[in-house]
Amino acid sequence: EPEVTQTPSHQVTQMGQEVILRCVPISNHLYFYWYRQILGQKVEFLVSFYNNEISEKSEIFDDQFSVERPDGSNFTLKIRSTKLEDSAMYFCASSPDNSPLHFGNGTRLTVT
Amino acid sequence: AQSVTQPDIHITVSEGASLELRCNYSYGATPYLFWYVQSPGQGLQLLLKYFSGDTLVQGIKGFEAEFKRSQSSFNLRKPSVHWSDAAEYFCAVVPGYSSASKIIFGSGTRLSIRP
Repeated sequence: EPEVTQTPSHQVTQMGQEVILRCVPISNHLYFYWYRQILGQKVEFLVSFYNNEISEKSEIFDDQFSVERPDGSNFTLKIRSTKLEDSAMYFCASSPDNSPLHFGNGTRLTVT
Repeated sequence: AQSVTQPDIHITVSEGASLELRCNYSYGATPYLFWYVQSPGQGLQLLLKYFSGDTLVQGIKGFEAEFKRSQSSFNLRKPSVHWSDAAEYFCAVVPGYSSASKIIFGSGTRLSIRP
């Protein structure tokens, strides 16, 4: 069964550094999403992406965040200047029709 | 406010015993309902979903869930659990006619299996 894949599985970075989290959605899917889960808390929606542009974003997704689909297969989340509170598990998801969602295994981001 | 409640933070059952994980939601219209499982260090795997129709939904790994409109519930059940079922289980809801970006997750129930 096709899967959403995410790399790396764990990323450690220093506060203030830029990080790029990478995702390869399922190939025929059209909708792409990023979610995050701070340790011990609920999974939260960050942003959705369709037709090469952001379709929706949450208040968490501020100017420090950006998404890109650079080459038709990858879907990336960039955090420009990481803060301690950005430490979380970041999940990428994709969907053929905006529901249901197929999630990747996540990237654990640790900001020190 | 719209919400999803999983009242049990942690449940321990014996291997081979039956299981029921509770989920309640507060929305006016019938939402889309999901159950996901997350094994340690892993992603979220969809167990089953309810959009409409038969209120008893069969999923993968022997799980089922029943949508009860009158109780605003979507409880997950399994007749006989296996040690490999130990994981975190999340109920999730998308308000009716909304996009999947509106999906709201419950806080999760951690399931432990007693040998």
